[in-house]
Amino acid sequence: SQQGEEDPQALSIQEGENATMNCSYKTSINNLQWYRQNSGRGLVHLILIRSNEREKHSGRLRVTLDTSKKSSSLLITASRAADTASYFCATALTGGGNKLTFGTGTQLKVEL
Amino acid sequence: DAGVIQSPRHEVTEMGQEVTLRCKPISGHDYLFWYRQTMMRGLELLIYFNNNVPIDDSGMPEDRFSAKMPNASFSTLKIQPSEPRDSAVYFCASSLAGHPYEQYFGPGTRLTVT
Repeated sequence: SQQGEEDPQALSIQEGENATMNCSYKTSINNLQWYRQNSGRGLVHLILIRSNEREKHSGRLRVTLDTSKKSSSLLITASRAADTASYFCATALTGGGNKLTFGTGTQLKVEL
Repeated sequence: DAGVIQSPRHEVTEMGQEVTLRCKPISGHDYLFWYRQTMMRGLELLIYFNNNVPIDDSGMPEDRFSAKMPNASFSTLKIQPSEPRDSAVYFCASSLAGHPYEQYFGPGTRLTVT
């Protein structure tokens, strides 16, 4: 079963708007990351946040982590058409070695 | 660097045939991961290697699936015999020892079993 579930499953916004995606997970984690997948392509690593961190920034990306609620959010500010893709959270479980468990993904469409 | 290379990009085969998927990780990377992606089950880890040694194969669906990594620059995932439910996109990814979670994915192999 999926460790992470993203919400919403699909999101459509206008260029320039902000996009927020949420991820919930079930068990204790070492860290959480977000990946992007363009249609027909492999995944691309975006950002990693450790379990003892609450917020992290990278360019137009802002990630938050609330371990008490077992949830994370990814905010993309000033979205562009090129941001259109599926976004996945992936968790490294405590005691899980170096493997990742991916969530169900959010399909983001940014329209001109 | 060319990134992770996978071949073939597309494979169409008949049920019962043997299928071999190939992966060349990024040079210098210590970890190699095989994933399968379907609409129904999402992205699932099948197996991963560290320094050519299989570490966790708990995601391999059944004995029909096998994976090898004979050296640091090559890995194969074999399905024998193939079944229609094996149809999926298979991804290979690699990462460095110091950053095992920052995985670099290949373009994938789309497998269709008829």
